[in-house]
Amino acid sequence: KAGVTQTPRYLIKTRGQQVTLSCSPISGHRSVSWYQQTPGQGLQFLFEYFSETQRNKGNFPGRFSGRQFSNSRSEMNVSTLELGDSALYLCASSLVVSDLTPNEQFFGPGTRLTVL
Amino acid sequence: DQQVKQNSPSLSVQEGRISILNCDYTNSMFDYFLWYKKYPAEGPTFLISISSIKDKNEDGRFTVFLNKSAKHLSLHIVPSQPGDSAVYFCAAKSQGGSEKLVFGKGTKLTVNP
Repeated sequence: KAGVTQTPRYLIKTRGQQVTLSCSPISGHRSVSWYQQTPGQGLQFLFEYFSETQRNKGNFPGRFSGRQFSNSRSEMNVSTLELGDSALYLCASSLVVSDLTPNEQFFGPGTRLTVL
Repeated sequence: DQQVKQNSPSLSVQEGRISILNCDYTNSMFDYFLWYKKYPAEGPTFLISISSIKDKNEDGRFTVFLNKSAKHLSLHIVPSQPGDSAVYFCAAKSQGGSEKLVFGKGTKLTVNP
């Protein structure tokens, strides 16, 4: 079974631009979560999508948004990029049989975003 | 406020010995805990997990212990191998309604041959 895939792997943008990152979950996984990893803050939760609905959101400004498609693929968008948005953006998927059953999350390789 | 803490930024052990990585949490609503291993420029790799109804879970060389009263968990790797050298993250999740994970800042493990 193929793992979580993310595209692109590397991206360089300038301040003020916008960017869209893509994530394809493991086949059959319905939940997709996004995380930002920076040296200072570690891994921080951005948002989670389940059945095309945002189910939870982290403490990030509205410039960060996302969506999920009917095939469970997800995209996240960052508008008006700032230097501090430079980070590794990670996508994770999980099966979610039920909310009462713990599920492991499996991560993709990440997209390294550099904002100049 | 850090809800999941890994107080040791780094740990160095000899090959063949035991590695013990520690993690503390503050949120009583956490009921599922996971350990991930991460190499630079790669995504975290799931290692092992434990539910709050258990106090121990084993998988090969990896064992996770949970002490709910102390809000403490630990990952034991026995025997340690050079290939185990990586950053290890502890993560926690609350029951129901979301897959959100709260991560510690990580511990860099170096296993010396």
